[in-house]
Amino acid sequence: QKEVEQDPGPLSVPEGAIVSLNCTYSNSAFQYFMWYRQYSRKGPELLMYTYSSGNKEDGRFTAQVDKSSKYISLFIRDSQPSDSATYLCASTQGGSEKLVFGKGTKLTVNP
Amino acid sequence: ETGVTQTPRHLVMGMTNKKSLKCEQHLGHNAMYWYKQSAKKPLELMFVYSLEERVENNSVPSRFSPECPNSSHLFLHLHTLQPEDSALYLCASSQVLGRGEKLFFGSGTQLSVL
Repeated sequence: QKEVEQDPGPLSVPEGAIVSLNCTYSNSAFQYFMWYRQYSRKGPELLMYTYSSGNKEDGRFTAQVDKSSKYISLFIRDSQPSDSATYLCASTQGGSEKLVFGKGTKLTVNP
Repeated sequence: ETGVTQTPRHLVMGMTNKKSLKCEQHLGHNAMYWYKQSAKKPLELMFVYSLEERVENNSVPSRFSPECPNSSHLFLHLHTLQPEDSALYLCASSQVLGRGEKLFFGSGTQLSVL
């Protein structure tokens, strides 16, 4: 079983929609959870960073971690065409353990 | 800009060529990484350097040879590559190694092996 599962999409939504991106993970030792955004022909950039369970909000973005169900979510409110990118979830248990990435979900927000 | 610069942005090479990818970080970080990104696959960690010392090599074929002369520069030397090595090669850095550190990525080198 892969450690981090992510539906690759693609996902296409109209401008203004609420977007929900999700990942599941199998390693119960994971404590750090991240979302990276990758625009076409660019490297990934860190969007959200969460330690342990709970919600974290930053502007239109909310990251949610449910450790009981091993579920990671990213919500985008009032989505904009500039949000069109591939979103990668990633987790690690910390220490010297490597960061494990999902395959990424390609999102298109249509004007 | 993320503070991590990779050159070249694009590279086409034959299977018998030797080439090098270069990465430079201007963030004062102590750890640097090489990742491989292929279509429909998760990012694959190739090499990790901490304070210029290689600390991880994830079973990468010997045709890929990393070099870290100082904490700001990282190279990936390529020789006798295979077509399946065509991918986006990403360099990243973090302040220190481990503990869920936040990675800062460069824009990558898109490599095509003919």
